[in-house]
Amino acid sequence: ENVLTQSPGTLSMSPGERATLSCRASQSVTSNWLAWYKQKPGQAPRLLIYGASNRATGIPDRFSGSGSGTDFTLTISRLEPEDFAVYYCQQYGGSPVTFGQGTKVEIK
Amino acid sequence: EVQVMESGGALVQPGGSLRLTCAASGFSFSRYGMTWVRQAPGKGLEWVSSISNSGGLTYYADSVKGRFTISRDNSKDTLYLQMTYLRVEDTAVYYCANIPVPGSWYFDNWGPGNLVTVSS
Repeated sequence: ENVLTQSPGTLSMSPGERATLSCRASQSVTSNWLAWYKQKPGQAPRLLIYGASNRATGIPDRFSGSGSGTDFTLTISRLEPEDFAVYYCQQYGGSPVTFGQGTKVEIK
Repeated sequence: EVQVMESGGALVQPGGSLRLTCAASGFSFSRYGMTWVRQAPGKGLEWVSSISNSGGLTYYADSVKGRFTISRDNSKDTLYLQMTYLRVEDTAVYYCANIPVPGSWYFDNWGPGNLVTVSS
């Protein structure tokens, strides 16, 4: 299976700063079929990005995804208070679909 | 408004059985594949099972294959997960979600989740 490794494990940031989250796959992700989700404590995950760079419906443009092959990035251009959460990447180009272990973005 | 809502979670003994239900509304349920994803306490996300829009194709993670069965009733806009031979390691919050694009398994419109606890 395609193992996804996210880094860093925790990102300590201040509101207004730019956050860069990394997701590295153990094998190339077919068709760059990679998604990003955000999860706040006690809530369900929410789809942010699919196809590596396509924002889901209703997602603000401060969220952007990039990358290809084995290296992918989620960038939050200016952190808002509601952006402090855990972020997961997921590849769906191979079977089984797999998730990364998550990156927690916390308030510094 | 698109909504999915899980139910049926409970405390069950190892070796026991349980059926989870996911009720959908606000979208054409029969047009979309559906999936179950779980999250053990304090842990990350794990894909469990998916089903095609018609119910004719089903897929399982190795960890649940042979023990769990996914199904759907399109006349009731409802998804099911029948879980048997439950293990302690099946303890998790179980989420249902839809698959917006056939064959492209990213997941949207997640339910709030339902807790299954397997313990003696």
